[in-house]
Amino acid sequence: GQQLNQSPQSMFIQEGEDVSMNCTSSSIFNTWLWYKQDPGEGPVLLIALYKAGELTSNGRLTAQFGITRKDSFLNISASIPSDVGIYFCAGRLNSGGYQKVTFGTGTKLQVIP
Amino acid sequence: NAGVTQTPKFQVLKTGQSMTLQCAQDMNHNSMYWYRQDPGMGLRLIYYSASEGTTDKGEVPNGYNVSRLNKREFSLRLESAAPSQTSVYFCASSENPSNYGYTFGSGTRLTVV
Repeated sequence: GQQLNQSPQSMFIQEGEDVSMNCTSSSIFNTWLWYKQDPGEGPVLLIALYKAGELTSNGRLTAQFGITRKDSFLNISASIPSDVGIYFCAGRLNSGGYQKVTFGTGTKLQVIP
Repeated sequence: NAGVTQTPKFQVLKTGQSMTLQCAQDMNHNSMYWYRQDPGMGLRLIYYSASEGTTDKGEVPNGYNVSRLNKREFSLRLESAAPSQTSVYFCASSENPSNYGYTFGSGTRLTVV
């Protein structure tokens, strides 16, 4: 099946630093999604991207849909302690009536105050 | 603002025991999903229900059965639990199969010994 590779797997950063993470696929997607999972909770949608090359922001978060449709990037500016969690990318591809969503393996972010 | 409610939150089973994980949503969503989350594997789809009365297999359906009891409820059953089914299970829902806006529950942590 499709594989989504996220990097880095984990990162420690100082509060106030910017963060970058990315996701690459062996196949193309129609939509890229970025989720955040807090400890003990389910993932929550942060940003959705629909077109190759699209750049979308949500507060301090910015994500881009790669031109090749096989990758996506998430940047977090001026990190704060509540940014701690696991960030998942997900790609969606039409598959008949159900649009299959494939999730990446996650990037675990730790913020040092 | 309950959203998606999963029960139980934690469960320990002995190999061969059976159990049912319950999921209910109060957002009048048509589609519901069961995922499992394992370290380094991301979220993998077990089964989904595009609408009330229908269920379909996802990526990893073996060893599981589901029931879409009504529009609100979607249960996941393990008939004979195996250690390989030790995982965190998430239920999610969306307005329809093509809607990216999945709402996740807070998960059930299952250990099979």
